[in-house]
Amino acid sequence: DIQLTQSPSFLSASVGDRVTITCRASQGISSYLAWYQQKPGKAPKLLIYAASTLQSGVPSRFSGSGSGTEFTLTISSLQPEDFATYYCQQLNSYPRSTFGGGTKVEIK
Amino acid sequence: EVQLVESGGGLVKPGGSLRLSCAASGFTFSSYSMNWVRQAPGKGLEWVSSISSSSSYIYYADSVKGRFTISRDNAKNSLYLQMNSLRAEDTAVYYCARDLMGGTSDYWGQGTLVTVSS
Repeated sequence: DIQLTQSPSFLSASVGDRVTITCRASQGISSYLAWYQQKPGKAPKLLIYAASTLQSGVPSRFSGSGSGTEFTLTISSLQPEDFATYYCQQLNSYPRSTFGGGTKVEIK
Repeated sequence: EVQLVESGGGLVKPGGSLRLSCAASGFTFSSYSMNWVRQAPGKGLEWVSSISSSSSYIYYADSVKGRFTISRDNAKNSLYLQMNSLRAEDTAVYYCARDLMGGTSDYWGQGTLVTVSS
């Protein structure tokens, strides 16, 4: 199975900060990676798919990059509504996808 | 507006069964593959099962294979998950999700909680 390791697992940041979350795959997955945002008690929301394609309706301050084994999700200027937990998902082994452990972004 | 509404969760004893349903609206249900994803309390996300648009292709995570059965009724715009031989480790919120492409889920329901406990 392909393992995904997210770092950091916890991040404390201020409104307006630039935030970067990393997702590393245990083997190459080309660009078969998605990013989701989840707020407490809510369902996940798709932000990015195919590593760098912004889902419709998602603010442009979110961006994704990477291929192979290393990927990043960047929030260019953190907004109050962005405090949440973020998950990456690999789809190279579709349909048997796996998720990263999550990165919780909290207010400093 | 795309809507997915799960139902059928609840408290069940180990070894028991439960059937989850997901009612879809706002899109052509019969054109999309669908996924079930679960989340144990305080934990991360885990893919459970997927079904293609015409039910020709069905897949399960190893953790549920042989115990869970995914199905759909395109005439009723509904997705199902029959869960048998339930274990404590199956306790989770179960989400149904529409498959955008290759396993990426672009719309999710609100989830339904399944608790397996004696």
